[in-house]
Amino acid sequence: GAVVSQHPSWVICKSGTSVKIECRSLDFQATTMFWYRQFPKQSLMLMATSNEGSKATYEQGVEKDKFLINHASLTLSTLTVTSAHPEDSSFYICSANSGRAQETQYFGPGTRLLVL
Amino acid sequence: QKEVEQNSGPLSVPEGAIASLNCTYSDRVSQSFFWYRQYSGKSPELIMSIYSNGDKEDGRFTAQLNKASQYVSLLIRDSQPSDSATYLCAVGRSNDYKLSFGAGTTVTVRA
Repeated sequence: GAVVSQHPSWVICKSGTSVKIECRSLDFQATTMFWYRQFPKQSLMLMATSNEGSKATYEQGVEKDKFLINHASLTLSTLTVTSAHPEDSSFYICSANSGRAQETQYFGPGTRLLVL
Repeated sequence: QKEVEQNSGPLSVPEGAIASLNCTYSDRVSQSFFWYRQYSGKSPELIMSIYSNGDKEDGRFTAQLNKASQYVSLLIRDSQPSDSATYLCAVGRSNDYKLSFGAGTTVTVRA
C-alpha cells in the first residue's frame, strides 16, 4: 500500500506557541490530503481537505485562521496550529490519496500534540 | 441520524472465535466502503475495501456489503489476540472524496 509519513510524531509546546506538522506521501502523488483530529476514545473528526495548489476546505466549526493548511506540492501538506492552547492537545492524523474516485485514504502515523 | 453507525461494543470474543462487526450508513448513493483497524495510540490502517454487493474475503477477514439494506459488515475468523483493536467503518461519500467514519467498535480477543 501507499506510504504516508508525518513529522513530528510527538510535540510538546507551551501555550501560545505555533506548531507545524508535516504530512508527506512517499511513493505516490497525493492530489488530495485530509487532516483529522482524534480525541481520546473518540473517532476521527475531519478538520479539512486540501488539494494541491488550492485553498483548503474546512469542515464546519473548524477555525481556518487557527489551523493553517498549506498543500504546496503533490507530496507535502502542512498543518500549522497557531497560538496553541491546552484544548488543542490531541492526536492529529493526515491521510492522502491520489484523487481517483472511490479510492481509499492512506493514513500517516499521526502526531500527538500536548500543549502545556 | 449519524451518517455511519457502528455497534459500539466493546466486543469480547475468545481466541479462535469469529468476531462480527456491523455498520449501517445513511447516504443511499454511497459507492465505496472501507474497514480500518486502529490500535491504541496508532493511526488507522486499511483492512478491507468493498464496492459491490456480496462478500469479499482476504485471509481471515470477510467484508459483506448489502447496498439495499445500507449495511456493511466485517467478520474476523479465527480471532487472535493481535486482532484486539478498534475497527472503524468508513463510507465514501457520493459527491466528493471524503470518508465518513463510524465511531468504531472495540474488539478484545481473550486468550
